[in-house]
Amino acid sequence: DAGVTQSPTHLIKTRGQQVTLRCSPKSGHDTVSWYQQALGQGPQFIFQYYEEEERQRGNFPDRFSGHQFPNYSSELNVNALLLGDSALYLCASSSGQGGTDTQYFGPGTRLTVL
Amino acid sequence: DAKTTQPTSMDCAEGRAANLPCNHSTISGNEYVYWYRQIHSQGPQYIIHGLKNNETNEMASLIITEDRKSSTLILPHATLRDTAVYYCIVRRVASSNTGKLIFGQGTTLQVKP
Repeated sequence: DAGVTQSPTHLIKTRGQQVTLRCSPKSGHDTVSWYQQALGQGPQFIFQYYEEEERQRGNFPDRFSGHQFPNYSSELNVNALLLGDSALYLCASSSGQGGTDTQYFGPGTRLTVL
Repeated sequence: DAKTTQPTSMDCAEGRAANLPCNHSTISGNEYVYWYRQIHSQGPQYIIHGLKNNETNEMASLIITEDRKSSTLILPHATLRDTAVYYCIVRRVASSNTGKLIFGQGTTLQVKP
């Protein structure tokens, strides 16, 4: 049973560019949450997708957007990249309406913005 | 969601029990205590969670005080591979607004040979 998978593992972009990160949830899960983890900090909640809709959002600007597909996989898009967007981006999947069950994390995507 | 307070760092000798405390004095009746750990540069790993009863699984035990204002995660026989940052998180469940996990700074556990 595959756990949560994310791609790519690492990514290097320059300021102003756009990036798309991908997440496949654990088998049987229908909810995907995204987190940003800056160096030395705990993860911060970006948003959560359930039934292909954004259900809850953290304190992140509109440059951060997402999408969930019918197969429950998800994408995180970040536009107009800033140096401060350099971080580990984590995807977590869960089940239950609104992701009420335990969240399981993927390995993350390390984004470096130059 | 209630906030949690954890020590910044702890050491433990290999083979001994590691006891990681967490204070959550403002916890509500419908909030669970969750523990995750994060080994360097990897995604957080779920360990255990509980509401008011003590819980045990293959990884750890969770002891919650009777007033629910604090808890302790116990790794019974710590190994070098248990060196990680441990996060204690309080979270409401069974509600439509329970999507996010609020991470603090966690406790860095260093297991020493």
